[in-house]
Amino acid sequence: QQQVKQSPQSLIVQKGGISIINCAYENTAFDYFPWYQQFPGKGPALLIAIRPDVSEKKEGRFTISFNKSAKQFSLHIMDSQPGDSATYFCAASIYSGAGSYQLTFGKGTKLSVIP
Amino acid sequence: DGGITQSPKYLFRKEGQNVTLSCEQNLNHDAMYWYRQDPGQGLRLIYYSQIVNDFQKGDIAEGYSVSREKKESFPLTVTSAQKNPTAFYLCASSIVANTEAFFGQGTRLTVV
Repeated sequence: QQQVKQSPQSLIVQKGGISIINCAYENTAFDYFPWYQQFPGKGPALLIAIRPDVSEKKEGRFTISFNKSAKQFSLHIMDSQPGDSATYFCAASIYSGAGSYQLTFGKGTKLSVIP
Repeated sequence: DGGITQSPKYLFRKEGQNVTLSCEQNLNHDAMYWYRQDPGQGLRLIYYSQIVNDFQKGDIAEGYSVSREKKESFPLTVTSAQKNPTAFYLCASSIVANTEAFFGQGTRLTVV
């Protein structure tokens, strides 16, 4: 089954701290791993993404670490700010034929950054 | 501005009624998707379409129907056969053969 397991379900971090969210997958055919950020009442927005040929990708305060052998990837938010408070979803993409890809999402992590 | 527009933002339906959620995009994307979001469940794929007049079932298609008569439009009908329709529905689109999906702002459907 094409599952992506995400943890923790919720996370509380002090302002300025590091937020870490983890995801694991089973299907080695997944070849693209994005993270989405969702604010209440809004649709998810792409935050950062990585392909399995790279072990780390950094964009500003956001870093994805990818461990292909362990089939795990994680999101690190450095210097976490109250404005980062949102729900974060990891996802994995697989080719579904005819030039199309399907995303499988984790169940989400609700991050709260407290002052 | 290019983007995906979902309407309405909130929708109430009586049990036993069908209801149609609208999704329009002006990004010139070929692929469009419908997801359902429930608390603690992540996003689950209902239907997707890669080209006009063609669509495929996702993981939870039962009780839903779609059409793709125009490239920019992908309406979702929640039928009375859907046993638990109250949820947040998200429409997305992408360029075929491109993995990045763009989402609309969602429609919250409540059955009363």
